Amino acid sequence: GAVVSQHPSWVICKSGTSVKIECRSLDFQATTMFWYRQFPKQSLMLMATSNEGSKATYEQGVEKDKFLINHASLTLSTLTVTSAHPEDSSFYICSARDGQDLGEQYFGPGTRLTVT
Amino acid sequence: SQKIEQNSEALNIQEGKTATLTCNYTNYSPAYLQWYRQDPGRGPVFLLLIRENEKEKRKERLKVTFDTTLKQSLFHITASQPADSATYLCVLTGGSYIPTFGRGTSLIVHP
Repeated sequence: GAVVSQHPSWVICKSGTSVKIECRSLDFQATTMFWYRQFPKQSLMLMATSNEGSKATYEQGVEKDKFLINHASLTLSTLTVTSAHPEDSSFYICSARDGQDLGEQYFGPGTRLTVT
Repeated sequence: SQKIEQNSEALNIQEGKTATLTCNYTNYSPAYLQWYRQDPGRGPVFLLLIRENEKEKRKERLKVTFDTTLKQSLFHITASQPADSATYLCVLTGGSYIPTFGRGTSLIVHP
């Protein structure tokens, strides 16, 4: 099946710094990518939907200036957490959808962010 | 508001038995429904997709039913194995093609 990678798999950063997370579709072109965050024992919460070449659509309550999303190509989307705070510590997961199939999403392995 | 309900309590079953997980939804008209498996610290893995005009889908030991009248999907794992232990997520997608996740149900299969 299709493969989505994320990098890094985990990162520890200091409060006030910025962190960039990459999401790549390895063997298909992803016209749409989704970014989620997940707290322990909670479901995935959609943060934003990213379409290649256009601005991301953020869900209500997600600060677009804090969580910068760039989907510059059909195989790469990035999420930058700016001026990170301890409450941003979470598990961030991306998924990608093949333009040919509006159903199935292919998920990355996730990135564990810890802000100290 | 839209709501997806999955049993928050873990389901404990004995190896070899059939596990049945439930997903109920309200205020939603999904175009299709999906089930994913998630292991701790990992991203979800797609299992099955069923469309609104389909009643049942099967894949190896997995079976999904979709009742749009009851607004419910049932997910079955037959001949369960300890390796099936994981959290199973129900995901609904409507006309906007934006997926909405349930909180998931933890399945524990005892040897």
